[in-house]
Amino acid sequence: EAGVAQSPRYKIIEKRQSVAFWCNPISGHATLYWYQQILGQGPKLLIQFQNNGVVDDSQLPKDRFSAERLKGVDSTLKIQPAKLEDSAVYLCASSRAGASGEQFFGPGTRLTVL
Amino acid sequence: AQSVTQPDIHITVSEGASLELRCNYSYGATPYLFWYVQSPGQGLQLLLKYFSGDTLVQGIKGFEAEFKRSQSSFNLRKPSVHWSDAAEYFCAVGTIQGAQKLVFGQGTRLTINP
Repeated sequence: EAGVAQSPRYKIIEKRQSVAFWCNPISGHATLYWYQQILGQGPKLLIQFQNNGVVDDSQLPKDRFSAERLKGVDSTLKIQPAKLEDSAVYLCASSRAGASGEQFFGPGTRLTVL
Repeated sequence: AQSVTQPDIHITVSEGASLELRCNYSYGATPYLFWYVQSPGQGLQLLLKYFSGDTLVQGIKGFEAEFKRSQSSFNLRKPSVHWSDAAEYFCAVGTIQGAQKLVFGQGTRLTINP
């Protein structure tokens, strides 16, 4: 079965610009996650979707970050405007519904904000 | 709120030597515990997980971990490491209410000496 797909793999932008990341989860996985992984740290959950509804976005900086999963399949994470501290790897993961579902991670998008 | 501490930022071992990576967690209820591995430029891969039952769990690639409730620990072990084990290792604690949510430790970088 195909894994979690993410694009682009790398992105370099200047501060105050906008950027968008795309994620296509494993087929049939109802739950989709976006994580931010700053260099030297573990991943931090930004937002969690169940189908096309938001389950948890408590750690999403909503003044600049937004995410959507309109049809309950693929998802887009946007940053507008970007700050230097947004430089990180953005990981997407998906799982089957339920607390015991294993999360499968994509390769991530490495964002550099100059 | 749950948290995870990985006391060792970087560990170096010789190929063929045994390995133990430490993980301490804080969670008010019975935790779900996980170990993930991340190779450079890759997403995270699940090594093993503990939900309940036998406190010694076996994972992929010859890894095992032991859950010790009295010490709030979930240390990862391998009897003999291979050069291909060089990577970043993350311990995580998950909630058991509703959809799974993971909180990760900061990671331990493993270097293997030939």
